[in-house]
Amino acid sequence: QVQLVQSGAEVKKPGASVKVSCKASGYTFSSYGISWVRQAPGQGLEWLGWISADNGKTNYAQKFQGRVTVTTDTSMSTAYMELRGLRSDDRAVYYCARALTTVTHDCLDYWGQGTLVTVSS
Amino acid sequence: DIQMTQSPSSLSASVGDRVTITCRASQSISSYLNWYQQKPGKAPNLLIYGTSGLQSGVPSRFSGSGSGTDFSLTINSLQPEDSATYYCQQSYSTPYTFGQGTKLEIK
Repeated sequence: QVQLVQSGAEVKKPGASVKVSCKASGYTFSSYGISWVRQAPGQGLEWLGWISADNGKTNYAQKFQGRVTVTTDTSMSTAYMELRGLRSDDRAVYYCARALTTVTHDCLDYWGQGTLVTVSS
Repeated sequence: DIQMTQSPSSLSASVGDRVTITCRASQSISSYLNWYQQKPGKAPNLLIYGTSGLQSGVPSRFSGSGSGTDFSLTINSLQPEDSATYYCQQSYSTPYTFGQGTKLEIK
């Protein structure tokens, strides 16, 4: 069965960077993309960016351009999201999700369990 | 960015009821609209893709409709396990924005 398993919770200081991993199993990793979505405490969902696991093409939300980098290691079937210059308002649960893209639709059909990133001095 | 607005923000209904949640996009998104269900402490779960496609494993009491800018999620015969927050998401153009969520409480 399809599974996305993320790395554990992180506590970082303001200005630091965090790198969250997302290990995929149960499907051909290179056949799908991976999107990253975050959720601040008690808030809604916010899309950060996407990467094609086939060719490494990326697409980032303008809000995070220059601060976020999404990569993959196809040999490990793992995706990574690095966020730099952490601020207190970056405190959130970060999710990876498998991006299913077809001619007629584009959706996030499997999700990781989430990784809590806390930013505190 | 395309803004997604859901209504209502919250609602309360009884087991067996039919409820409808609406989602409006700030510009036409064709049929690139998805619905997710999220329970407390859990990751979102895909319910509906491409406006009306029912994700595998999702009960048939969930259905979606709409096109252009106006969309809806309908839940027929509400069950206790449907208590959750529901989010719409447009996948027409990046950034793929979400609605603010609708919290559904079962009386």
